[in-house]
Amino acid sequence: EAGVAQSPRYKIIEKRQSVAFWCNPISGHATLYWYQQILGQGPKLLIQFQNNGVVDDSQLPKDRFSAERLKGVDSTLKIQPAKLEDSAVYLCASSWTVQETQYFGPGTRLLVL
Amino acid sequence: QQQVKQSPQSLIVQKGGISIINCAYENTAFDYFPWYQQFPGKGPALLIAIRPDVSEKKEGRFTISFNKSAKQFSLHIMDSQPGDSATYFCAATSSSGYALNFGKGTSLLVTP
Repeated sequence: EAGVAQSPRYKIIEKRQSVAFWCNPISGHATLYWYQQILGQGPKLLIQFQNNGVVDDSQLPKDRFSAERLKGVDSTLKIQPAKLEDSAVYLCASSWTVQETQYFGPGTRLLVL
Repeated sequence: QQQVKQSPQSLIVQKGGISIINCAYENTAFDYFPWYQQFPGKGPALLIAIRPDVSEKKEGRFTISFNKSAKQFSLHIMDSQPGDSATYFCAATSSSGYALNFGKGTSLLVTP
């Protein structure tokens, strides 16, 4: 089966610009996650969707980050405006449902200058 | 606040040797402990996982040892191979909390 797809793979922007990432989960997976992985650290959950509803967004910086999952399939994560400290890899993961194995995409590497 | 502490940060092992990575947690509500393997430029991939009703789980060359009373768990890689060179993350979560709490990772290098 096809894995989790993410695009773009790399993005370089200047601070205060906006950026958007796209994720296509594994077909049939109801749960979708966005993680932020800063260099040298483990992934940190930003937001979790169950179908198109938000389950957990407690660690999402809502003043600048937003995410949506329309029709319970694809998802986009947006940062506006970006800060230097947002430089990281943004990972999307999906699972059949909560508590099931999470499958990760290759990630989008963001560099904010 | 790091909910899962992982050590060592990096590890060099000779081919054929045993690689051991340790993790500790504080939240007694955690009841699922997976290990993920990540190669450069790739997303993490589930390697092996354990629940606290058993003290050990083995899959091929990979074994998780779990000590509930000490709130510690570890990954043992037997007969380590150069292809095992990657970053390994331990994680923990609870049935009610769903979010995976990751350790900071261990960079493993297996030399020929």
